[in-house]
Amino acid sequence: DVKVTQSSRYLVKRTGEKVFLECVQDMDHENMFWYRQDPGLGLRLIYFSYDVKMKEKGDIPEGYSVSREKKERFSLILESASTNQTSMYLCASSSAGGFRWNTEAFFGQGTRLTVV
Amino acid sequence: AQTVTQSQPEMSVQEAETVTLSCTYDTSESNYYLFWYKQPPSRQMILVIRQEAYKQQNATENRFSVNFQKAAKSFSLKISDSQLGDTAMYFCAFMKLPLLRGTGNQFYFGTGTSLTVIP
Repeated sequence: DVKVTQSSRYLVKRTGEKVFLECVQDMDHENMFWYRQDPGLGLRLIYFSYDVKMKEKGDIPEGYSVSREKKERFSLILESASTNQTSMYLCASSSAGGFRWNTEAFFGQGTRLTVV
Repeated sequence: AQTVTQSQPEMSVQEAETVTLSCTYDTSESNYYLFWYKQPPSRQMILVIRQEAYKQQNATENRFSVNFQKAAKSFSLKISDSQLGDTAMYFCAFMKLPLLRGTGNQFYFGTGTSLTVIP
């Protein structure tokens, strides 16, 4: 069973803090993603990575950075947290194979981040 | 860029009835995949059903089926015999295959439809 694990379900941080959200997958997937989910806006892609040390900006990268030093781990970093970054953050992974049976994205359980 | 539109923010259905959730997308790609994901209150996103663009036959998974109209760029989800456990947010998603293998598959999501099954 594919597992994508996010380090925290709930997180409360102060404005200006540096925040790390960690994500680990156990299926040897090449692709990993960070999304932000807000009511009425759906899932918006922050960053994705298709290989170790490779990263691509998504639709809303401002205020975020990422790190992928190992294939199984993809970290999202909020350099200086702000209240407008209060949101649900979802990590996902997928295989790069492109075959029918492995095209889907597998998601973690989400981290609800509150910045006060 | 690809866009996915779900025009129904909220829907409700009586238990045991049938409901259809709408999704349209915009793309110039010819080879892609479409998905419906379910996000229950537990927040865990689960794949409901997938459709390959090159297949004309509509995908079916038990009580879930799709109506895929490629020319119209429409991909609706039909849930038959609705159950209380179907109460969730449903997201339509589009995935295009990368130009170069190994350079990343990107997923694009709609804004979601909140479905409530009424006992």
